[in-house]
Amino acid sequence: SAVISQKPSRDICQRGTSLTIQCQVDSQVTMMFWYRQQPGQSLTLIATANQGSEATYESGFVIDKFPISRPNLTFSTLTVSNMSPEDSSIYLCSFGGTSGPFSYNEQFFGPGTRLTVL
Amino acid sequence: GENVEQHPSTLSVQEGDSAVIKCTYSDSASNYFPWYKQELGKGPQLIIDIRSNVGEKKDQRIAVTLNKTAKHFSLHITETQPEDSAVYFCAACEGGLSGAGSYQLTFGKGTKLSVIP
Repeated sequence: SAVISQKPSRDICQRGTSLTIQCQVDSQVTMMFWYRQQPGQSLTLIATANQGSEATYESGFVIDKFPISRPNLTFSTLTVSNMSPEDSSIYLCSFGGTSGPFSYNEQFFGPGTRLTVL
Repeated sequence: GENVEQHPSTLSVQEGDSAVIKCTYSDSASNYFPWYKQELGKGPQLIIDIRSNVGEKKDQRIAVTLNKTAKHFSLHITETQPEDSAVYFCAACEGGLSGAGSYQLTFGKGTKLSVIP
């Protein structure tokens, strides 16, 4: 199966700054997603990262706060902008889709980025 | 939109006993139901899934059942071991069997399973 990695694995940031999280898959994949998981909570979808076009955001998440790039079929970035303590969470990327060896609908997650905002 | 309810929120079992986690969903169009295991400090790991064209699927000590009429599905872990201790999430998706659909997973709130040696 494909390997998915995220950088950084964790970070501590100051209020008002921005952090860009990278997600890399070692195979070309159709769909890539970004999730937020607040401490002790479930996963909430932030957006779907579309290759070659703007990301599709879920209700409650906006591009100005969480700009996303998807320059190719193996890589995506999520930026958490103008951070506040409420942004302290685990940010997870996942991939899925019908391309390559993966069955449709299956999603596989990266190890996550643990963000603490002071 | 889809709503997934998961019970119980915490579950403690003795090593060797069975554990059952139950989920219900609201959208009758959902037809793909994965289960994830998340260990402390790690991302969720897909452990088993079931599609709406089958009622049960088994993989060694893990099984999942689906009742489309009642809109509920369950995870069964037999002969539990301490390494089964983790948070388990169910999810539902409206992905089509042909590959079409939104691919958007809606997750339950999770069950923290503790297996006592």
